[in-house]
Amino acid sequence: GNSVTQMEGPVTLSEEAFLTINCTYTATGYPSLFWYVQYPGEGLQLLLKATKADDKGSNKGFEATYRKETTSFHLEKGSVQVSDSAVYFCALSDPPQFYFGTGTSLTVIP
Amino acid sequence: ETGVTQTPRHLVMGMTNKKSLKCEQHLGHNAMYWYKQSAKKPLELMFVYSLEERVENNSVPSRFSPECPNSSHLFLHLHTLQPEDSALYLCASSQGKDTQYFGPGTRLTVL
Repeated sequence: GNSVTQMEGPVTLSEEAFLTINCTYTATGYPSLFWYVQYPGEGLQLLLKATKADDKGSNKGFEATYRKETTSFHLEKGSVQVSDSAVYFCALSDPPQFYFGTGTSLTVIP
Repeated sequence: ETGVTQTPRHLVMGMTNKKSLKCEQHLGHNAMYWYKQSAKKPLELMFVYSLEERVENNSVPSRFSPECPNSSHLFLHLHTLQPEDSALYLCASSQGKDTQYFGPGTRLTVL
């Protein structure tokens, strides 16, 4: 079956630190992969996506590369800001269903 | 993102009440979803409507009843809920395998 596993949080970093949030997946086909972000009191917003192996998704300084050989889609950012504090969800699509990880809470302190 | 709207944003109800949550998408998508988000638990898919066909999570209690009258509107009818049903209920839509777009959610509290 399909599933997504992401690293447990919470993660606390100082401003300008490097961020990695690990995500691995299990899929029966060739899914698209996503990272979503949820700010307090809001719904999930798409952060980036990749639709096939070796694709790199990027947005707002965040990047993730679709690695079929390691079944991974790790999220990275070179220099985090306080405004990046949120919960991050890794997800895959197998239409019509989506499968989400449990979320990783990130807090960035000044 | 205003492509998916949800009303109400907050709802407090007693266990004997009947209420409905509403979701509307303005994106021309062909699939809509209800999710339940509880504290410290994974996002739980409750129902999927794809091209007007319903797919459901069999673990969802019958006190939750979805309705999808057309491709733009989705309702979640609630009756005789329990306190453990208190959560954030999120609606989303997508076009096939493409990105899901989420509404802001309805924060439900069951007393």
